[in-house]
Amino acid sequence: NAGVTQTPKFQVLKTGQSMTLQCAQDMNHEYMSWYRQDPGMGLRLIHYSVGAGITDQGEVPNGYNVSRSTTEDFPLRLLSAAPSQTSVYFCASSRTGSLNQPQHFGDGTRLSIL
Amino acid sequence: RKEVEQDPGPFNVPEGATVAFNCTYSNSASQSFFWYRQDCRKEPKLLMSVYSSGNEDGRFTAQLNRASQYISLLIRDSKLSDSATYLCVVIRNSGNTPLVFGKGTRLSVIA
Repeated sequence: NAGVTQTPKFQVLKTGQSMTLQCAQDMNHEYMSWYRQDPGMGLRLIHYSVGAGITDQGEVPNGYNVSRSTTEDFPLRLLSAAPSQTSVYFCASSRTGSLNQPQHFGDGTRLSIL
Repeated sequence: RKEVEQDPGPFNVPEGATVAFNCTYSNSASQSFFWYRQDCRKEPKLLMSVYSSGNEDGRFTAQLNRASQYISLLIRDSKLSDSATYLCVVIRNSGNTPLVFGKGTRLSVIA
């Protein structure tokens, strides 16, 4: 069982570069989300999706775009990387549209912006 | 006041000790509550849900106090493997952040 798969696991970018963090789940989960985790800040929601074709902004959406063209995939795009986006990024999914379901997290992507 | 607050710790306890963490929340409309565990440099994993009547899973007991707006996690007979950061999660079906994570409480169990 793959669960939630994030790629890449590590990435170093230069300021101004763009890239896409991939997230895929094979559990047919409707709800997917992206978080960033910084020391002393906890997990902060970037964007989330309650189903294919539907996305919404979370707490810290600026500088990031998402799309949800399929149930399985929820990529996160950094449009023009900035050092403030250095962080650990987690993708999560849960069953159905109810938020009372446990969140399944990917292993995380450690991103450094120079 | 932050919506979800936890004592960051660290809590350093000897093996076999009982330790308790609290998590307070400010939004009275919050509907569901969970405890997650996160090991160093790993992803968070669900530890247990928190039910209104309180619930137990082995050495772990979770309780909810809606009147005072806090949830608690009690760990009995602590093991070295319990060392981790414990995150509380509050769910509300409003606003742009339906799930709110606390910053976590770090526990170190010492031999």
